[in-house]
Amino acid sequence: TQMTQSPSSLSASVGDRVTITCRASQTISTYLNWYRQQPGRAPEILIYDASTLQSGVPTRFSGSGSGTDFTLTISSLQSEDFATYYCQQSYRTPYTFGQGTKLEIK
Amino acid sequence: EVQLVESGGGLVKPGGSLRLSCAASGFTFSDFSLNWVRQAPGKGLEWVSSISSTSEYIYYPNSMKGRFTISRDNPKNSLYLQMNSLRAEDTAVYYCTRGDSYGMDVWGQGTTVTVSS
Repeated sequence: TQMTQSPSSLSASVGDRVTITCRASQTISTYLNWYRQQPGRAPEILIYDASTLQSGVPTRFSGSGSGTDFTLTISSLQSEDFATYYCQQSYRTPYTFGQGTKLEIK
Repeated sequence: EVQLVESGGGLVKPGGSLRLSCAASGFTFSDFSLNWVRQAPGKGLEWVSSISSTSEYIYYPNSMKGRFTISRDNPKNSLYLQMNSLRAEDTAVYYCTRGDSYGMDVWGQGTTVTVSS
């Protein structure tokens, strides 16, 4: 299952609302997860099962979607959110990741 | 504290072998599926392998079948990845992760594998 994220890169400012989309090449129900990777660090999970916020993750992050189309929304960007974001399907192996969306400071 | 710590990375020649280890702490190791995920320099994330809690189910992408072998030792709280016939394109940071259908909720800091002559 191929995962395609858009956009590949995005410029925004602190306080902005941003949305990243992820499309699966075939239906994956809600087996869709979102990760944030800050520079030089391991990824961390933000959202699992398309819309469930991982414990400890700020509520400015939200996810939605099912089937093939999904979105990650950050309601008000903070400095630590300038990072790369990946979606990943866990419906069937091979567990595939999107190519990533790099969020940069405008 | 829930933690995964990888080790065993290093420089290896093309065609060589390497065994990565991942030591777990802070949770009941035998209750969870585990994975290896890698990231080539400047690239995205790539799933490498998964193993169920009892080792009953093991998965690889087709590109790594036959070269990589995942295993675990539940009494030792350890996960392993045996990598053979290494190629330049296997150069990456290798992460040990916990989780399965509901995402990978714990990640190690990664260990770097460099395949070069």
